[in-house]
Amino acid sequence: SYELTQPPSVSVSPGQTATISCSGDKLGNKYACWYQQKPGQSPVLVIYQDTKRPSGIPERFSGSNSGTTATLTISGTQAMDEADYYCQAWDSSTGVFGTGTRVTVL
Amino acid sequence: EVQLVESGGGLVQPGRSLRLSCTASGFTFDDYAMHWVRQAPGKGLEWVSGISWNSASVAYADSVQGRFTISRDNAKNSLYLQMNSLRADDTALYYCGKDTGLVPAAPIDYWGQGTLVTVSS
Repeated sequence: SYELTQPPSVSVSPGQTATISCSGDKLGNKYACWYQQKPGQSPVLVIYQDTKRPSGIPERFSGSNSGTTATLTISGTQAMDEADYYCQAWDSSTGVFGTGTRVTVL
Repeated sequence: EVQLVESGGGLVQPGRSLRLSCTASGFTFDDYAMHWVRQAPGKGLEWVSGISWNSASVAYADSVQGRFTISRDNAKNSLYLQMNSLRADDTALYYCGKDTGLVPAAPIDYWGQGTLVTVSS
């Protein structure tokens, strides 16, 4: 079955850039999206179709996808961005989530 | 405002069945595919199942294939998940999610608050 691998954790200082990777076989040939989940809350879509931001998502969130890796970048990270982040892609009509990355803003 | 409200969770013994429901409002329900996603306590997200706008296309994760059945009633703006032969590792918070397209192959742009299923004797 298809798998998406993320680093378990990323630490970033306020105002700096956080980069989260998501690796999967030929992932660049699929669309990737990203979700943010804060403790006790439901996930929120922050990036879809590799690079697009839904309405209401701050510009500091951006995405890319090429080769085997999709990347979520948070520029000028704020304390409110501290959360778990999950990538997602579709493989043979089956949804696959990444393993998740906890972003800590120190 | 889009709202998705799940119900039907609870404590169930291994091997038994449970039916989850999700009631949708705030959008044209039959214009979109829908999904179930679960999250075991302290764990990550796991996609469970998806269904197209007209129920013609359904898909399941390998972990639930043959045990779970997804369905929808567009007249009632409702999504369902029939869960049979439940196991301890099915214990999770089950989320209902709205797709951005007609078939279950696009991002989930709205999520419910989830309903907790606990499988234990």
